[in-house]
Amino acid sequence: ETGVTQSPTHLIKTRGQQVTLRCSSQSGHNTVSWYQQALGQGPQFIFQYYREEENGRGNFPPRFSGLQFPNYSSELNVNALELDDSALYLCASSPGLAGVLKTQYFGPGTRLLVL
Amino acid sequence: GENVEQHPSTLSVQEGDSAVIKCTYSDSASNYFPWYKQELGKRPQLIIDIRSNVGEKKDQRIAVTLNKTAKHFSLHITETQPEDSAVYFCAASIQGAQKLVFGQGTRLTINP
Repeated sequence: ETGVTQSPTHLIKTRGQQVTLRCSSQSGHNTVSWYQQALGQGPQFIFQYYREEENGRGNFPPRFSGLQFPNYSSELNVNALELDDSALYLCASSPGLAGVLKTQYFGPGTRLLVL
Repeated sequence: GENVEQHPSTLSVQEGDSAVIKCTYSDSASNYFPWYKQELGKRPQLIIDIRSNVGEKKDQRIAVTLNKTAKHFSLHITETQPEDSAVYFCAASIQGAQKLVFGQGTRLTINP
């Protein structure tokens, strides 16, 4: 098992609500990436944070936003939830410098259901 | 942008036989290719990865091969065991692009 943790494990929200998901990176890792995994699909890259700055973003609308804290933990915020946002949200941490892709280790994920 | 195609989507093999999963990528600048195993309800776990300066890498029963000219890479599992049953994902990344692009996954079933 990796040292990456996520909370909560499960969450149920209704359309239009807002949600915050949390991730603690593995010790020594300063980079956190967030992915959305719809049922039966591969993970899709949302964005990455390195040293508290966004460092790359996938094809997701601005209502998906994030933060990284000085201890390298991270939050994913989603506003105005839509039914299609129902998915497993994974964070992955990696060591090293931005620009040099290191091995990414995934957390257990947060399963979000939007009703 | 980068696109990764993975085949087959499902694979069933007899215990002890070999399994091969293939992926193709679109961006010739891709230089890092990890494979993840995801059991039901669990996190993706890295099982092996390869960088573009290497053509093959082995770790016990698992091997990955990379053909940069054809832009494809493959996962080989030998002497399969029931615990190998899972969904396997390939991924590709370009140095500096900061993201992994995943294939659609292969559900591998090992029949005893």
